[in-house]
Amino acid sequence: EIVLTQSPATLSLSPGERATLSCRASQSVRNGLAWYQQTAGQAPRLLIYDASNRATDVPARFSGSGSGTGFTLTISSLEPEDFAVYYCQQRSNWPFSTWTFGQGTKVEI
Amino acid sequence: QVQLQESGPGLVKPSETLSLTCTVSGGSISGYYWSWIRQPPGKGLEWIGYIYYSGSTNYNPSLKSRVSMSVDTSKNHFSLKLSSVTAADTAVYYCAKHKVNDYGVPEYFQHWGQGTLVTVSS
Repeated sequence: EIVLTQSPATLSLSPGERATLSCRASQSVRNGLAWYQQTAGQAPRLLIYDASNRATDVPARFSGSGSGTGFTLTISSLEPEDFAVYYCQQRSNWPFSTWTFGQGTKVEI
Repeated sequence: QVQLQESGPGLVKPSETLSLTCTVSGGSISGYYWSWIRQPPGKGLEWIGYIYYSGSTNYNPSLKSRVSMSVDTSKNHFSLKLSSVTAADTAVYYCAKHKVNDYGVPEYFQHWGQGTLVTVSS
């Protein structure tokens, strides 16, 4: 099973600052990685898929990069609504796929 | 825009079976992959399993012995059953629609329901 490890666990920043979140896979997932945002009391929302593609209606301040085992989610300038928990996620090889998530990074003020 | 809505009992007794339904609106259930994901209070996300509209399934190995999923295309909904529940199964349960790649393989969770809290307690 591929394990995803996110760092840091918590990121304390201010509005307007840049946020850099990391996700490391225990083995290569090529570019098969997604990022989700979860605000308090809400369902997760798909932000980035295939490591670097923004999902529909996701602002341009969100960007993803990386491949293989190392991935980064960058928020260029934090808006108040960006303070949330972010999860990375991958799918193991098809057709017997399982889906796993990282443990999350909380971006707080 | 597709919308998903979970429904079912919010309280289940230990050793009993948790049953939830996800109703899809704004689009057809046919042709797509659908998953259940759960999140214990204050913790991270765990994928439970998926069901294809045809009825084929794949479950998380850690839950496989207790999980079953079904789909009813005439009602545009799919369901989850988790047997022999314990307090560790207390969680918010989400249903989600998969985004598929160019080869029709399910990849990511594109649309989510709002989630429903299920508490296991006597």
